[in-house]
Amino acid sequence: GAVVSQHPSWVICKSGTSVKIECRSLDFQATTMFWYRQFPKQSLMLMATSNEGSKATYEQGVEKDKFLINHASLTLSTLTVTSAHPEDSSFYICSARASGTGGSQETQYFGPGTRLLVL
Amino acid sequence: AQKITQTQPGMFVQEKEAVTLDCTYDTSDQSYGLFWYKQPSSGEMIFLIYQGSYDEQNATEGRYSLNFQKARKSANLVISASQLGDSAMYFCAMTPYSSASKIIFGSGTRLSIRP
Repeated sequence: GAVVSQHPSWVICKSGTSVKIECRSLDFQATTMFWYRQFPKQSLMLMATSNEGSKATYEQGVEKDKFLINHASLTLSTLTVTSAHPEDSSFYICSARASGTGGSQETQYFGPGTRLLVL
Repeated sequence: AQKITQTQPGMFVQEKEAVTLDCTYDTSDQSYGLFWYKQPSSGEMIFLIYQGSYDEQNATEGRYSLNFQKARKSANLVISASQLGDSAMYFCAMTPYSSASKIIFGSGTRLSIRP
């Protein structure tokens, strides 16, 4: 159980195009999903928290107009990188948390990640 | 301030030996969760083990155990009988329950298992 998928796993695009990344919880309902960015040899950096049916909460320094997040259902959240530039090239990884609060219910399950390369 | 510290950037261990990965944390919350994740070269983050701040017993999951010392604010991961497939990056993480489920990650430890 607790499987999270992410699609696509690899994206290469031209500068100026938009890229959509999907994150799905396959066997549980995720009221909250998170989007992270990871640079080589570094830890994960939280970009935003996505709650089903409401606007995402962005971390300080993350441009909400550039990184559009939609959490349309309890099993799907999408991250759209708009007008991508080479500096947006990175590893993007999502996680999902099941409903409920406290204890082991706070465990986040991660998708396999998406490697984005903007040329 | 909420912080996770992993002081071992890299470790080499002989196959079949036990290994301890260090993790200390700082939080003013009384209720929090502690986690360990494994990230192989493929990039996926694999959940290994969870410890709640009020759990009196150390968590165990197969070959993984969490040595939880609350007074010292440490949550070391112990891997028994290491295997070649254990070579990966390991992240210690914490969720203070006041943080709206946000996870704070340490900088990670790269574990390499020698055959």
